[in-house]
Amino acid sequence: EDQVTQSPEALRLQEGESSSLNCSYTVSGLRGLFWYRQDPGKGPEFLFTLYSAGEEKEKERLKATLTKKESFLHITAPKPEDSATYLCAVQAVSGGSNYKLTFGKGTLLTVNP
Amino acid sequence: DTEVTQTPKHLVMGMTNKKSLKCEQHMGHRAMYWYKQKAKKPPELMFVYSYEKLSINESVPSRFSPECPNSSLLNLHLHALQPEDSALYLCASSPSGQGRQETQYFGPGTRLLVL
Repeated sequence: EDQVTQSPEALRLQEGESSSLNCSYTVSGLRGLFWYRQDPGKGPEFLFTLYSAGEEKEKERLKATLTKKESFLHITAPKPEDSATYLCAVQAVSGGSNYKLTFGKGTLLTVNP
Repeated sequence: DTEVTQTPKHLVMGMTNKKSLKCEQHMGHRAMYWYKQKAKKPPELMFVYSYEKLSINESVPSRFSPECPNSSLLNLHLHALQPEDSALYLCASSPSGQGRQETQYFGPGTRLLVL
């Protein structure tokens, strides 16, 4: 069974204090790993898709990396507006559906000014 | 443009009401999804339509009835809901559901309250 574990569950940072969020996964075969940002009461906002180990993607203060067992979302010099829940999801190559995403429980990030 | 729109934004309904949620995308995507999300939980997949045909029903109660009138539209018809059905209902779409580039893009959601 595909599993995704995100850590920490919650993270408080001071503005400008860089850190990383972790997403560990177990899948039969990885089709893709996705990072989303979700603000309270709103839909998840797509951030990155990673497909193979060693891949990295960047967007403003965010950088996502992927290994064979985990992904990291690095946040450099965060600002209060980066406060949100960050969701990691994986899509597996399996004999069944190609549509299913297995989500982690998310990391709630709070950035204090 | 990676926009998925949903209406209404908020919905309050009684247990005997019939209502519908609507979702629209104009990205040419051929796979569309309904998710349910409870507070502080990740989204849970309910239904998947691929090329306007229902591909996945995740054992969702029959009081939820999906419909895909065309490749851009997705509806969720609600009838005789229970208070525990109160949640954020999310629509998403992806190119085809079968290719390599299958990022799912989510709409803003409909906040449903069942009284």
